[in-house]
Amino acid sequence: DAGITQSPRHKVTETGTPVTLRCHQTENHRYMYWYRQDPGHGLRLIHYSYGVKDTDKGEVSDGYSVSRSKTEDFLLTLESATSSQTSVYFCAINSGAQETQYFGPGTRLLVL
Amino acid sequence: GQSLEQPSEVTAVEGAIVQINCTYQTSGFYGLSWYQQHDGGAPTFLSYNALDGLEETGRFSSFLSRSDSYGYLLLQELQMKDSASYFCAFRLVADKLIFGTGTRLQVFP
Repeated sequence: DAGITQSPRHKVTETGTPVTLRCHQTENHRYMYWYRQDPGHGLRLIHYSYGVKDTDKGEVSDGYSVSRSKTEDFLLTLESATSSQTSVYFCAINSGAQETQYFGPGTRLLVL
Repeated sequence: GQSLEQPSEVTAVEGAIVQINCTYQTSGFYGLSWYQQHDGGAPTFLSYNALDGLEETGRFSSFLSRSDSYGYLLLQELQMKDSASYFCAFRLVADKLIFGTGTRLQVFP
């Protein structure tokens, strides 16, 4: 356990509504990541952060935005949710050993 | 582009040895990682190869050959608890990970 929590853990929302997912870490790690996981696609990187207010896009960033105003929090926002964004979302941090990422417990999002 | 291919499913019996292959295409990467994920859980780190060759961690070993664009995860003395999905992944700049689609391992008694 690398002190990573995600909230909410489950969410059901309607198409067109905004949704924000939160990732919180307690160990002051610099790098944080958001992935989504869908059957047949494995995990795909959405956005990542390399410091406060420093973020960049990943493989599947369209329709998502992120913010990091504090080291411990990395927010993922779906500005206008679509059914294609139904997925399991994982947050991750990089450990001190650079080759290891630790993942949060995940958020299951259903967009109706 | 960058891609990693894995078999979708592998089955084996308790006590056996199983190898999960990962073939890839990339313009460059720092190393190849392996992660395990049980149903309903989060991925957890298993092994990492920065250099060609074999890395051993208990019952698990991982191998990388950059010249062959190939890697594998070897699981020995299989246990029922090893039933899970296994993912290979590139480690790239900023420690980003690009994952393969995963291999589901089923271990039978």
